[in-house]
Amino acid sequence: NFMLTQPHSVSESPGKTVTISCTGSSGSIASNYVQWYQQRPGSAPTTVIYEDNQRPSGVPDRFSGSIDSSSNSASLTISGLKTEDEAEYYCQSFDSSNLVVFGGGTKLTVL
Amino acid sequence: QLQLQESGPGLVKPSETLSLTCTVSGGSISSNSYYWGWIRQPPGKGLEWIGIIYYSGSTYYNPSLKSRVTISVDTSKNQISLKLSSVTAADTAVYYCARHITMINFDYWGQGTLVTVSS
Repeated sequence: NFMLTQPHSVSESPGKTVTISCTGSSGSIASNYVQWYQQRPGSAPTTVIYEDNQRPSGVPDRFSGSIDSSSNSASLTISGLKTEDEAEYYCQSFDSSNLVVFGGGTKLTVL
Repeated sequence: QLQLQESGPGLVKPSETLSLTCTVSGGSISSNSYYWGWIRQPPGKGLEWIGIIYYSGSTYYNPSLKSRVTISVDTSKNQISLKLSSVTAADTAVYYCARHITMINFDYWGQGTLVTVSS
C-alpha cells in the first residue's frame, strides 16, 4: 500500500523558516499532485497548497510547496513563522489506482 | 458560498450501521469536475480518507474500508450519504464531508460531526 510519511512534529521560533517533509513509500511522488492542509484544533482542514506548489487565494506567500524527485518527497515550507501558523499539517496525494492518500500529519509548534 | 453540513446520529451501537448525510448548499452537487467525499478523524489522530462519489453515482473507496462502506448521492436533494456497517469502537471519529476537485484537493469541507460507537 502506498503511504505518505511525515515527521510527527516540528518546532521553530517566530520569524524563522520551517520545512515539513512528506515522503512517498513507493513509485514516484511526482506522478500525482501533492496537496497540503492546515488544521487547527476543533476545525476542519483547509488547503494551504494544491497541485504541488499552488496557493489558494487568501493563503499568504509565506507558504510554499515543492517536490524533490530524488528523495521521492514533497515539502511544505513556511517562512516568517507566526504563532498563528501553529497547527497540524497534512499532505495528501494519490496511489497508483488514483485513490486518495493522506500523510499521518505533522504538529507544528511555534515557540 | 458553497457550504456542506453533515448530519446524523452522534451515537451508534457496536455491530450496527453508521449513517450520515451531507447536505450541500450554495452550489449544485451535479457540477462537472467535482467529486464529493467523506474523510474521518479519530480523536487525537490523523485524517483517513473513506471514499468519494461523482454525481453520476461512480464511487471510489478506501480499500481498508471498502467491504463495509457505501456512499450514495441524491441529486434531487443535493445530498450525499455514508453508510458504514458493522461498526466497532475503532470507528469512533469526527466524520467530514468535502468537495473533491478531481485528482487534486478537497477544497470545501463541512464542519464535521462526531460519531461515537458505544453500547
